[in-house]
Formats: sequence, structure tokens, C-alpha cells
Amino acid sequence: DVKVTQSSRYLVKRTGEKVFLECVQDMDHENMFWYRQDPGLGLRLIYFSYDVKMKEKGDIPEGYSVSREKKERFSLILESASTNQTSMYLCASSPRTSGMADTQYFGPGTRLTVL
Amino acid sequence: AQRVTQPEKLLSVFKGAPVELKCNYSYSGSPELFWYVQYSRQRLQLLLRHISRESIKGFTADLNKGETSFHLKKPFAQEEDSAMYYCALQNTDKLIFGTGTRLQVFP
Repeated sequence: DVKVTQSSRYLVKRTGEKVFLECVQDMDHENMFWYRQDPGLGLRLIYFSYDVKMKEKGDIPEGYSVSREKKERFSLILESASTNQTSMYLCASSPRTSGMADTQYFGPGTRLTVL
Repeated sequence: AQRVTQPEKLLSVFKGAPVELKCNYSYSGSPELFWYVQYSRQRLQLLLRHISRESIKGFTADLNKGETSFHLKKPFAQEEDSAMYYCALQNTDKLIFGTGTRLQVFP
């Protein structure tokens, strides 16, 4: 059974703080993703990674960076948190596709509040 | 541009009524489409994908390339179907999600 875990369920930070959100998967998946989930906007892709030390910008990368030093771990970094980054953050992983669509497996989410 | 549109933010039905959650897509190639579901206080999970052509929890979805739609249907809604439903389109290794439809099933 695939398991994707996120370091915190709830996080409260102050404007300007540096924030780290951690995600770990235990299924040896190549692909990992960070989304933010906002009411009325659905899921929007922030960054994704196809492999260790590789990263690609998603649709809304501004204000975020990522790190993937190990295959199982994908970190999302808010260099200087702002109130408009208050959101639910979802991590997901999937095996590398081989011509067929494959399932993404999601973590439980981290609800970040920036005051 | 690739896009997924879910026109309804909220769909409310009574138990036993038919349900149809709408999804339209825009994609230049051959689309791979999914429905994901998030029940209250649970993580987002795959409900079904069109290539499997299967029925999950009584739900089915048919890809209509002519209408560029992938609507999710269930003939008789149950209270436990209440959840947030997202339609998603595969784009290489990424997914493009719609904005979601909240389904409320009243007793």
C-alpha cells in the first residue's frame, strides 16, 4: 500500500518566516509533486520532480522553491512566507509513466496559515 | 491550451437520485482522464480512470471525444458519496485538475 506522508497537518507561521514542508513516499516513485488546494480554484501545481535533484516549475511557482536530495523526499520551501500563501498544501507521488497514465498518490495535506 | 472545466461548484441531490458531475476538457492529443475524490477528513484518492473502463462504487464515466467530456455518473446516489470530486487530465507525467465539484447527498 502506497504511503505518502507529510511532516505536519497544521502549521502556523508569521509573515516573512522561512517555511519548510516535507513529504516522504515509500514506494520508490520517480515523480513527486507539490500542489496547493484552494476553494474554487481546485488543485494547482507548484513544482514537480522527475528524479533526484531534478525539479520543474508548475503553474504557480512564484514564492516557492523545492529540494529533492533523496528519491523518497521532496521538500517545499517558502523563502519568505506571505499571507496569500495561506492554503492547504498537498504532496503526491507517482511512478514514471511508460506511455500509459498512472495514478498519483496523495499525502494527507498540510494546512498552512500565515499570519 | 490544456484545460479541465467543472462548471458546477456544488451539486445537491437526495439519496436515491441520479447524479451526474460534469467535466469538459481541452486537449490537443489523445486524452487520459481521471476522477479523483476527497471524502471529509480523508486524503485525495483516485476514483476511476477512463482507460480502465470500470465502475467504482457504482460510478462510471465515459469519454466522449466529440463533446470533449468525461462526466461522472451514478444512477442512485448514497449519503456516503458526499465528497469533493475533481476531474483531471494527464499531460505527460503531470495532472491538470479542474476546480472541483462538491457533491452533497441528503437523506
